[in-house]
This record gives sequence, C-alpha cells and structure tokens, in this order.
Amino acid sequence: DTAVSQTPKYLVTQMGNDKSIKCEQNLGHDTMYWYKQDSKKFLKIMFSYNNKELIINETVPNRFSPKSPDKAHLNLHINSLELGDSAVYFCASSQVRSGRHGYTFGSGTRLTVV
Amino acid sequence: GQQVMQIPQYQHVQEGEDFTTYCNSSTTLSNIQWYKQRPGGHPVFLIQLVKSGEVKKQKRLTFQFGEAKKNSSLHITATQTTDVGTYFCAGPGQAGTALIFGKGTTLSVSS
Repeated sequence: DTAVSQTPKYLVTQMGNDKSIKCEQNLGHDTMYWYKQDSKKFLKIMFSYNNKELIINETVPNRFSPKSPDKAHLNLHINSLELGDSAVYFCASSQVRSGRHGYTFGSGTRLTVV
Repeated sequence: GQQVMQIPQYQHVQEGEDFTTYCNSSTTLSNIQWYKQRPGGHPVFLIQLVKSGEVKKQKRLTFQFGEAKKNSSLHITATQTTDVGTYFCAGPGQAGTALIFGKGTTLSVSS
C-alpha cells in the first residue's frame, strides 16, 4: 500500500482554469503538508494542517485553497491558474507537527499550465 | 527569515570518487534532516541528526551535525551510479513549524 498517495500524477491545463489535487495518507500521521517544487528543484512550504486544522499558510496567492476533510486527507484547489503555477506539487505527512520527525512524501503532481 | 543554504548546487564525479555536500542554517536547529530525491522521483527521508557534533553512518554515507547545531554535511564514500540524485538538508522552521529545505545538491556520477 502506498503511504502517501497523490492524484493526479500529471495535470496539463490552460490558463484561467480551476483544478484540484488530492492527497491521502494511510500512516496515521497527524500533520500534512503541501510543498511546491520549482524548475530549480527548490522545495517551498505552502500549507500545513495538523489534525484538520490549518497551522501554516505561507505567502501563497489566495487562488490556492487547501482543504482537509479529515486528518488522512489534504486536498489543494487552485483557481484561475497562471503560467507561473507550473511546478511539481508534493504532499507530505509527518507524525507530529514539530519538525522532529521525518516527512513521508507523495510521488508528486506535475502541473503544467499552457 | 530563517534560511537553510546548501553548497555546491551541482557536483559531477567519476564513479568511485567521494562526494560531500554542506548545509548551513542562519539559526540554531533543534535537528537537521537529510533527504534524497532521485531524478523524476520524490524526496525520501534518509536520516535525522539531533545532538551537537553527532555523526551517523549508513553504509557509504556519513552524516555530521556541527557543534553549534547550525551546519551539517553529508559525505558519500566511493560513489556509485545509484547515488545519482538531489540531496536536500532540512531543518524545522521557527516555532517548530514545517521543515525549511536547502536548495539541494544535485549529484551526477559517470562510470
């Protein structure tokens, strides 16, 4: 069984569209994250949820809206997609929120906006 | 804000040569973690260092945490083609929040 699974793996869409990425973890972890990896491989934190509660919301445009229906799921909805949103988006989870445990990453969603 | 810096950005070696990547934080860290991302893959957790001056080994990989807990290094002895990928260090953000990642060192190995 995949520990952290993301769908879809690839997403190609036109500017202005709205899209969602889904993430699920079966590790029983309390905390989930969204990271954005740009073309230079820089991993930047976007959001963090602890047991369904939003605890980190970095300076991300409000076109990005995360939702956590339960602690095993964290979805990312993006409105009005722009060319600059093209990147790989990784979902991750950890046992607790303190940064004292290793993260388990999903396989990523490669988003291409044309 | 808090920054985690890593050098070099790229390193190419011949198979069998050694490799080292260095990580520096602008603040003292409670712990430092290392991840490996294979080409086209996702970051995979390698190890966590917690104590000042700590040294840990995993086969040909040696990880060190500096005495001041602000720097770390990863050394690979006798690289193999399977070592290819990008190595990231990461430390907890302020107030123990999400991990802040370095920009990574991409290692290529030719046989």
